[in-house]
Amino acid sequence: GQQLNQSPQSMFIQEGEDVSMNCTSSSIFNTWLWYKQDPGEGPVLLIALYKAGELTSNGRLTAQFGITRKDSFLNISASIPSDVGIYFCAGAGGSQGNLIFGKGTKLSVKP
Amino acid sequence: NAGVTQTPKFRILKIGQSMTLQCTQDMNHNYMYWYRQDPGMGLKLIYYSVGAGITDKGEVPNGYNVSRSTTEDFPLRLELAAPSQTSVYFCASSYSRQGKGEKLFFGSGTQLSVL
Repeated sequence: GQQLNQSPQSMFIQEGEDVSMNCTSSSIFNTWLWYKQDPGEGPVLLIALYKAGELTSNGRLTAQFGITRKDSFLNISASIPSDVGIYFCAGAGGSQGNLIFGKGTKLSVKP
Repeated sequence: NAGVTQTPKFRILKIGQSMTLQCTQDMNHNYMYWYRQDPGMGLKLIYYSVGAGITDKGEVPNGYNVSRSTTEDFPLRLELAAPSQTSVYFCASSYSRQGKGEKLFFGSGTQLSVL
């Protein structure tokens, strides 16, 4: 079945640093989504991307839909302690029909 | 502002026991889903429903059953609990189909241990 390769698996950064993570697939998707999961909670949608090449921002977060439709990137600028959590990419509109999730990037921020 | 509500929050089961995880949503969403989350493995779809009376299997349905008698409720049943079902379970809902990129609203999860 379709798989999303999300990297890095985990990150330990200092408060104030910028963060980059990405998601790649061998398959094409029509929509890319980025979710964040706070400890002990369910995931919450951060950004949705609907068009190849699209660049979208949500506060300090910026995400891009890769031009090949096989990848997406999420950047967080000037990280703060509340950015801690697991970030999931998800692809929609692929051959399987249902939303496919990556395995997540666990972010830790040192104050 | 309840959104998606799951109960219980935590549960420990013995091998072979059965239980039902409850999920209810107050957003009048037609689409509801059950996912399981294993450490470092992301979210896997167990079952989903596109409306009352209609359910379908996801990626990992074995060992689970669901029903959808109302728009609001989508319980997940484990009949004979096995250690492989130790996981965190999330219920979610959406206005339209998540496979089209529709936003998912998640509950806060049920942490289940089978010993």
